[in-house]
Amino acid sequence: DVKVTQSSRYLVKRTGEKVFLECVQDMDHENMFWYRQDPGLGLRLIYFSYDVKMKEKGDIPEGYSVSREKKERFSLILESASTNQTSMYLCASSLQGARGRQPQHFGDGTRLSIL
Amino acid sequence: TQLLEQSPQFLSIQEGENLTVYCNSSSVFSSLQWYRQEPGEGPVLLVTVVTGGEVKKLKRLTFQFGDARKDSSLHITAAQPGDTGLYLCAGTYNFNKFYFGSGTKLNVKP
Repeated sequence: DVKVTQSSRYLVKRTGEKVFLECVQDMDHENMFWYRQDPGLGLRLIYFSYDVKMKEKGDIPEGYSVSREKKERFSLILESASTNQTSMYLCASSLQGARGRQPQHFGDGTRLSIL
Repeated sequence: TQLLEQSPQFLSIQEGENLTVYCNSSSVFSSLQWYRQEPGEGPVLLVTVVTGGEVKKLKRLTFQFGDARKDSSLHITAAQPGDTGLYLCAGTYNFNKFYFGSGTKLNVKP
């Protein structure tokens, strides 16, 4: 079974802090994703990576950066946290496959509160 | 603006009723996936559809991909409390990056 592990279930930080969210997958997947989930907005893609050290911006990258130094680990960084970044953050991974048949496997999420 | 619009946003029904959830877009997708998410957990894939007009069944759940590959529906027959959750559709153009709908929150009352 694929396992995607996010380092924290709940996190409380202060405005202006630098925040690191960590995600590890154990199935040698090429693709990894960071989403944020807000009520009524579904999942919005922040960044994704299709290989080590490769990254692409998603739909809402402003205020975030990512790091993928090893295939199994994908980190999301909030450079200077702001209250509008309070949200549920979900990490996912998938194989690179033909015609989008490959499922995305999600972690259980990190609920981040910025005070 | 959401690329994929889901309706209804909320649905509360009695056990045994049937329901349909819709996922619509003006864009053509290469494939579309449906996920279910339960509280405190990440979404879990239910099905992937790739061919226009395709119909897939998963026990009491029937998924259909529109002929033009712009829309999809999820029909649940004889809903049970265990079907309660957030249902999300997600479409892709380029096979690796998916766009998610806003979700349908289903509550099935016993």
